[in-house]
This record gives sequence, structure tokens and C-alpha cells, in this order.
Amino acid sequence: DAGITQSPRHKVTETGTPVTLRCHQTENHRYMYWYRQDPGHGLRLIHYSYGVKDTDKGEVSDGYSVSRSKTEDFLLTLESATSSQTSVYFCAISQGGGTEAFFGQGTRLTVV
Amino acid sequence: AQSVAQPEDQVNVAEGNPLTVKCTYSVSGNPYLFWYVQYPNRGLQFLLKYITGDNLVKGSYGFEAEFNKSQTSFHLKKPSALVSDSALYFCAVRALTSGNTPLVFGKGTRLSVIA
Repeated sequence: DAGITQSPRHKVTETGTPVTLRCHQTENHRYMYWYRQDPGHGLRLIHYSYGVKDTDKGEVSDGYSVSRSKTEDFLLTLESATSSQTSVYFCAISQGGGTEAFFGQGTRLTVV
Repeated sequence: AQSVAQPEDQVNVAEGNPLTVKCTYSVSGNPYLFWYVQYPNRGLQFLLKYITGDNLVKGSYGFEAEFNKSQTSFHLKKPSALVSDSALYFCAVRALTSGNTPLVFGKGTRLSVIA
């Protein structure tokens, strides 16, 4: 498996609290992605990064922010969690172009 | 903007029969196309990809996919389905450009192979 680790793997948090999910890679891949997976919606792109401090929004970026201060780490922050952000979050890495992406094991986030 | 459509939420097939999971895409210019599989409570696993060249690409576990530019399709196929192929399948596209373009996924198709 590609060296990609998500933490935490599970989290329950209260509405209105900030939450940060971490994605760490040891592959030195240029691209890092955050997706959320929900029944009936498949995988939807939240934000992605194409280099240190270079990020862009995806399809469902409202309510989320990201940071990438080092090649190996890509953080996803929910500034004020809402119940609609209950989901499974996946991080992925790739070299871009025609190379395939590798996925982490996912983080199951529940906002109560 | 690029997008992927998987028109079937669910595909049922009998074991031993051929299977097809459909995918169409929309992208400016030429695409990179991918298929992934997800087993329960797991992350996504790469199956195969199309970059350029032969329109028929072969991948893991006996799967193959055919790129059809005129129909903007990239359907996943397997000649003989196994019960163990039952899983959630995702098609993805990335635009072939000089810029920084993301990898975009479809909604997924659940394949159920019945013994």
C-alpha cells in the first residue's frame, strides 16, 4: 500500500466545534485531495493541493478549509462543524497527469 | 469543468456471466480515465486507467475497459463475473492539460454478483 495515513480514523464531535483531519504521505506525491463520501453522492471533491501552499476548491468546499505547509501533510478543517458534514472523508495522493491516485483508509466523522 | 456520469446505481449479474459497468465523461480536451473499486469499509483501490494508445485497456482481477472518444465513454467490463467482484465501482476523470486539474469521480455503481 502507498504510504498514506489519515488521522483520526473515527471522530464524534458536537455541532459548532472546530475539527481538523490530517492526511500524511511518505511518497512525496505532488497532488493531495480531500473527498467526502455519502450515500447517493459518491465521492465529492472538497479541496485539493498541487504543491506546498497551493490549493484549490472542489465541488463541495463551503464550510471547509485546507492547509498544506509541507509536502507530506494536508489538513482539512471544519471551522464550525454541522450535522450535514457527517460523512466519511478520504484523502488521496497522486503525481498528477495520467498517474493513478492512492487513497487513505478514510475518516468517519459524526457531528451530533 | 470536468464531470463523470455513472448512469446505473446498481448492476446485478449472475456469476459466470459477463458484466458491464457504464461510465461517460465530460472534459475539455483529452481525458485521463480511471476505474476504482471499493470493498466494504475500505478505501478505494485502483483497477485500471486509460492515458493514450489502445482503446481497450486491461487491469487488475481480469477487468478491462474500452475508451470510446466519440461517445465519451469508458465502460468497465469483465467476461465472467465472480461473486467476489461484488463491490462499489467508481469511474474518474482528469483533464489532460498543462494546468493543475483535479481528479473527479462519479457517484459510483454497486455491482452485485449472484451465485
